[in-house]
Amino acid sequence: GAVVSQHPSRVICKSGTSVKIECRSLDFQATTMFWYRQFPKQSLMLMATSNEGSKATYEQGVEKDKFLINHASLTLSTLTVTSAHPEDSSFYICSASFIQGKGYTFGSGTRLTVV
Amino acid sequence: ILNVEQSPQSLHVQEGDSTNFTCSFPSSNFYALHWYRWETAKSPEALFVMTLNGDEKKKGRISATLNTKEGYSYLYIKGSQPEDSATYLCAWGIGAGNMLTFGGGTRLMVKP
Repeated sequence: GAVVSQHPSRVICKSGTSVKIECRSLDFQATTMFWYRQFPKQSLMLMATSNEGSKATYEQGVEKDKFLINHASLTLSTLTVTSAHPEDSSFYICSASFIQGKGYTFGSGTRLTVV
Repeated sequence: ILNVEQSPQSLHVQEGDSTNFTCSFPSSNFYALHWYRWETAKSPEALFVMTLNGDEKKKGRISATLNTKEGYSYLYIKGSQPEDSATYLCAWGIGAGNMLTFGGGTRLMVKP
């Protein structure tokens, strides 16, 4: 149980275009979804926390107008990278808490390459 | 800045070797320490969630210990197998349902 499905797993896009990444909780309701990104040889870094039905909370240094997060339902959260640039190329992964916040389950990640 | 650090960054061992990694984390505001096993192109797989100082947990050939007072945890793998090859992540949590702060991971490669 507690599976999060993340799509796409890999995407290449042109500079200036937007890319949407989806995370769906398949067998539980994810009231909170965490979005992380990882640059090469670095740790997973939290970008934002989204709660169903409310605005996402962004970490310092993360542009909310560039990284649009929507968590309109208990089973779907999306991250849209708008007007992507090569420096946005990174690995993005979502995570949802469950078991009353004691466990976390992850998507399989999205490798974004902006050319 | 509250850092979670893991060492070594990478490790190459022979099949059958036993090995261990370290995760250090802030000892203040501690709620839980998580260990994950992460294979390429897959979701990180939860290994352990540890909450109490002195905790020891075991899952097959993998075990972990926790020292919250000094802020470190060890992960041990006994008799490494090629299928143990993965990145092992630790993450520090400050509360139920709150964000996790991750270490950089230890990449283990086990040679047959």
